[in-house]
Formats: sequence, C-alpha cells, structure tokens
Amino acid sequence: NAGVTQTPKFQVLKTGQSMTLQCAQDMNHNSMYWYRQDPGMGLRLIYYSASEGTTDKGEVPNGYNVSRLNKREFSLRLESAAPSQTSVYFCASSKRQVSNSPLHFGNGTRLTVT
Amino acid sequence: GESVGLHLPTLSVQEGDNSIINCAYSNSASDYFIWYKQESGKGPQFIIDIRSNMDKRQGQRVTVLLNKTVKHLSLQIAATQPGDSAVYFCAEGASKNSGGSNYKLTFGKGTLLTVNP
Repeated sequence: NAGVTQTPKFQVLKTGQSMTLQCAQDMNHNSMYWYRQDPGMGLRLIYYSASEGTTDKGEVPNGYNVSRLNKREFSLRLESAAPSQTSVYFCASSKRQVSNSPLHFGNGTRLTVT
Repeated sequence: GESVGLHLPTLSVQEGDNSIINCAYSNSASDYFIWYKQESGKGPQFIIDIRSNMDKRQGQRVTVLLNKTVKHLSLQIAATQPGDSAVYFCAEGASKNSGGSNYKLTFGKGTLLTVNP
C-alpha cells in the first residue's frame, strides 16, 4: 500500500516550458488535492477534485490546470512555467471533502523554474 | 508557539522530555483540527485530529488539546525521541457552506522541533 505517489521527485524547467506533475493514490479516496509549499508560508491549495469527474479552483489556481483522470489519478499541468512557480508541490487525497477526513500527502515534487 | 500565519518558530528539547507545540487559530467557525509532522524532504504526515465537540484526544505518545474559548490548539508529545525532530503544523477546517460540503482546510506555517540526544 504505497499511499500517495508523486512523479517526478525533482524537475528543472526553463521559463515558458510546460510540464505535467503526476499523482496517484491507492487508498480508494474520493477527493484529491494539489498544494504548493513555499518558504515561510503554509500550504496553499491550487486545485482540488472533490470526487471523480469534478475539479475546482483553490486559493492560487492561476497558471495551472488539472485533470482528474480517474478515481486514482489527479495531474497538475503548468502550460507556461514562470519563476514564481518555483516551489514544492504536494498532492494529497482524502476519503471525502468533509470534516473528520484527514488529508494524506505524497512526498512532493520539487520544481525549479529558471 | 505558532499562529496560523506567523513566522516559523522553533522548539528545542532534550530526548526523553515532553514537548508541547502550540497553535492559535482564527476562524471561530472551524470545527475540525489536524496536526501534521513534516520531516525534511518529505510530505506532511498525519499525526492526530480532533473535532470541535471534543477538547482532548490521545494517540500513541501524542495528545491534542483544544480550547475553543481562546481558539488554541496544542500537541503534546510524550518522551520525545530524536526521530520526532521535524516541522509540526496544524490545520483548521471549516465548511464553506451550511450544507457541510465544500470543506476548506487552512494550514499553519509550522514549528520546528529539534530533539537533542
């Protein structure tokens, strides 16, 4: 039981390049999330998917798109990377998007945009 | 201690001592609270959670205390070990609508716990 798996672990992009961060969970969770973590700040929600077939914007969605490919997989796409998107990206999942349903996180993708 | 939104504080303890990490939250509508542990280079790891209808919950070597009157949350770690060294942060959760769905979690920045052998 791997939990939440993210790929790649590290990535360096040049400004304007695109890439997709992959995330998969094997806990049969309904809800999935993408967060970014920057020094001195708490985790900030980029996009989430409350259930298969739905996606919604979080606090900081600009410059990103997501796809809930199936119940297990939720990808995050940067169409034209900018230095401000240098960050650590975490995917998370939960049984449902309600209270008493803690998020379980992957180990992150460390992205640098030059 | 920590407040959701402040600069990262630090706590240094001796191995075997008890640790107390604090968190102040701001939203009086928050009804669910979670503590996470994050080791260097890893993702946040769920430790323990508590609903607002409780004021104390115990796990293995950890206890979470909730004081809704002053909007304060604490994590107590008993007999702290070097492996407990990490950043600990709290999260508060509240529904964005009266139906209870579309839940929102707000994360604090964390407290760095260092355990000295």
